[in-house]
Amino acid sequence: QSVLTQPPSVSAAPRQKVTISCSGSSSNIGNNYVSWYQQLPGTAPKLLIYDNNKRPSGIPDRFSGSKSGTSATLGITGLQTGDEADYYCGTWDSSLSAGVFGTGTKVTVL
Amino acid sequence: VQLVESGGGLVQPGGSLRLSCAASGFTFSSYAMSWVRQAPGKGLEWVSDVSGSGGSRYYADSVKGRFTISRDNSKDTLYLQMNSLRAEDTAIYYCAKKAGGARVFYFAMDIWGQGTSVTASS
Repeated sequence: QSVLTQPPSVSAAPRQKVTISCSGSSSNIGNNYVSWYQQLPGTAPKLLIYDNNKRPSGIPDRFSGSKSGTSATLGITGLQTGDEADYYCGTWDSSLSAGVFGTGTKVTVL
Repeated sequence: VQLVESGGGLVQPGGSLRLSCAASGFTFSSYAMSWVRQAPGKGLEWVSDVSGSGGSRYYADSVKGRFTISRDNSKDTLYLQMNSLRAEDTAIYYCAKKAGGARVFYFAMDIWGQGTSVTASS
């Protein structure tokens, strides 16, 4: 059972915006950097956001990240059919001395 | 920059398996590495981390005492020795490169392998 909670699914029409929340605690999100991953069907995960809000080279600025207290949020604007995927947040948990992923969110483009 | 896993397969419960992850395109010893798994139809689960030198290792409670992470920096290869395998260990196992250098407490993983499938079943 994951210590980071995400909504199971979110959906929106093309060109619209979605946000995905990731809720944790002071031992994980509250005191460590959050990263976000996109997993397209049948493929390995891909890093979308690191250090709460930074994008690796090649990731479009339609993807954004933020963190406040013990929660983090991934935003996707200008939604495209190619964005249909599972999205996971992740961070280090200082109390567990372990990495933790969120429960995952499936994004559907209507 | 590439990671290629191997060593997966079908094993009986209670058996052992060793996964390998061959790295190329970056200075392997300068980066901590991770193993992450995904059971069929389930989410991502962090399994283990090792520091760049190999001196620091961390494990998920679900595998502690059964799995051992190691690395050979002379061969640019990461390993996961899996003993006493259980049905619930059935998953695709990914190796991943940490983005923050040699330290293990930094979580972000910027390069992932394609995964290798492990099935523990009789």
